[in-house]
Amino acid sequence: DIQLTQSPSSLSASVGDRVTITCRVSQGISSYLNWYRQKPGKVPKLLIYSASNLQSGVPSRFSGSGSGTDFTLTISSLQPGDFASYYCQQSHSAPPTFGQGTKVEVK
Amino acid sequence: QVQLVQSGAEVKKPGASVKLSCKASGYTFTSHTMHWVRQAPGHRLEWMGWINAGNGNTKYSQKFQGRVIITRDTSARTAYMELSSLRSEDTAVYYCAKDPGYCSSSTCLNRFDPWGQGTLVTVSS
Repeated sequence: DIQLTQSPSSLSASVGDRVTITCRVSQGISSYLNWYRQKPGKVPKLLIYSASNLQSGVPSRFSGSGSGTDFTLTISSLQPGDFASYYCQQSHSAPPTFGQGTKVEVK
Repeated sequence: QVQLVQSGAEVKKPGASVKLSCKASGYTFTSHTMHWVRQAPGHRLEWMGWINAGNGNTKYSQKFQGRVIITRDTSARTAYMELSSLRSEDTAVYYCAKDPGYCSSSTCLNRFDPWGQGTLVTVSS
């Protein structure tokens, strides 16, 4: 199975900060990489698909980049509702697999 | 809008089976694939399998092969996931999630949006 490693596992930030999360994949997956946000006690929500495409209805402060084995999720200006956990997920090969998550906490 | 509503929490003893449901609305049920994903405490999200709501074809993670069965009832617009031989490590929140497309044995978007609200399954003696 394809392994995904996110860094950092957690970070502390303030409202308005620019936040960057990295996802490294164990083998090349082209652009088959998706990002989800999971607020505490809530359901995961798709933010970015195919590495850089913003899911409909998702605010433009979220962006994704990368291809091959290295990917990045950027939040340009952190909002109160963005304190949550973020997961990357590869959709290149079965079984689809997830990163371990990055928890964004209040500084 | 697309909505997935899952059945309520379950408590099971080791060795038992559990069958969860996921009722879909707001889209053409038979035109999409439904996935099941679980989230155990301290573990990453884990894909279990999918079902094509149209033809009933399924694909399962090797990890759960032989223990999981995913079915659907098109008239009820509902997908089901049955997990057998439960053990304590199966304690988790189980989610259904819609695929934007229709999977085949060789191709699948494998993207999950939206998700059901989740069903907590607790396995304890």
